[in-house]
Amino acid sequence: NAGVMQNPRHLVRRRGQEARLRCSPMKGHSHVYWYRQLPEEGLKFMVYLQKENIIDESGMPKERFSAEFPKEGPSILRIQQVVRGDSAAYFCASSRTGTGATNEKLFFGSGTQLSVL
Amino acid sequence: AQTVTQSQPEMSVQEAETVTLSCTYDTSESNYYLFWYKQPPSRQMILVIRQEAYKQQNATENRFSVNFQKAAKSFSLKISDSQLGDTAMYFCAFILRGAGSYQLTFGKGTKLSVIP
Repeated sequence: NAGVMQNPRHLVRRRGQEARLRCSPMKGHSHVYWYRQLPEEGLKFMVYLQKENIIDESGMPKERFSAEFPKEGPSILRIQQVVRGDSAAYFCASSRTGTGATNEKLFFGSGTQLSVL
Repeated sequence: AQTVTQSQPEMSVQEAETVTLSCTYDTSESNYYLFWYKQPPSRQMILVIRQEAYKQQNATENRFSVNFQKAAKSFSLKISDSQLGDTAMYFCAFILRGAGSYQLTFGKGTKLSVIP
């Protein structure tokens, strides 16, 4: 049973370009979370999605960032017109249900390291 | 809003010795979960241990145990018989029970080095 798969592992973009980060959740998981880890910081919640729905995007920057989780295919985190401050590790996580229930577990991918030149 | 503080940016321990990593948190809620995650150089986030706030008994997982002091809002991680593979960043994290989403709040982490 493959874990949470993220690609690419490393992504280099020049300022002003677009970055697309992909996440395939674990088999049987329909809840996806995106977190961002800035250098020397802990992970910070960005967005929570279910299939075809954004449930909570309270951690997403208001501009340039968007996320989707289509009926078919991986979840995509899209950053338009990247700036140097977007350089970070972006982690995807998935769970079977969406809550922090007693027996629920959150599984993380290995992240995508975005570097903006 | 909840906050999580890890006051030790870096720590080191000799192989086979015991080390304790500190974590404090701030919340006005009484029902929540606390976690310790390990992040080795591979960057993979690995759940080490989990504690439910309504349980008084401290959680243990093999060589890993916690000291949960609810009144003091403290949640330290003890690693016994440290091994080289324990070298990693360790993050303390918090989530409200029944939050409706897995919106974890993380501390800034403690970098642990196990010395042979």
